[in-house]
Amino acid sequence: GENVEQHPSTLSVQEGDSAVIKCTYSDSASNYFPWYKQELGKRPQLIIDIRSNVGEKKDQRIAVTLNKTAKHFSLHITETQPEDSAVYFCAASGTGGYNKLIFGAGTRLAVHP
Amino acid sequence: KAGVTQTPRYLIKTRGQQVTLSCSPISGHRSVSWYQQTPGQGLQFLFEYFSETQRNKGNFPGRFSGRQFSNSRSEMNVSTLELGDSALYLCASSLTAGGKSYEQYFGPGTRLTVT
Repeated sequence: GENVEQHPSTLSVQEGDSAVIKCTYSDSASNYFPWYKQELGKRPQLIIDIRSNVGEKKDQRIAVTLNKTAKHFSLHITETQPEDSAVYFCAASGTGGYNKLIFGAGTRLAVHP
Repeated sequence: KAGVTQTPRYLIKTRGQQVTLSCSPISGHRSVSWYQQTPGQGLQFLFEYFSETQRNKGNFPGRFSGRQFSNSRSEMNVSTLELGDSALYLCASSLTAGGKSYEQYFGPGTRLTVT
């Protein structure tokens, strides 16, 4: 069935370090991969996304890479700041297309000053 | 533009009752998707509506249903509530056309507690 695995479940870094979160998806038909940031008590917020025809996308301190062959995609955050502390979710478009997203279990990122 | 809104924000219901949650998408967005978020199961897709039609459905029992109105507002209904239905219910709106997946923007959610 459809599945997205996300690692690690928790990540602790020092301010200024980089953070990397990895996801693996099962459905080879998935073609859209968004990342969401969810702060405590808040709604998930779209931070970056990538489509299957692109290998890498960057937006300031955030980048996402996609390896379609291996069905892996990763989020890279450079120069982390305390306000980056949150739960990050990866997702992949699900069977049937349209706007069905299959989410990973989430990574709790803590950035220590 | 105003963001996605959901009402009510909090709800307490008793087992066996039914509940209706409402979602108003971003102006111009015609797709509304619903997700259930729980600590144990994470974020799970319930269903998606576009132009008043359900386009896709997740693996939830028939007690979970939804609909969309001509102004793109959507409602979801859960009948015969069970304790396990306690969750944050999130809707997301998307500007969509054709079969492509588009960016989804979430509402603040409705926190449902079943006692």
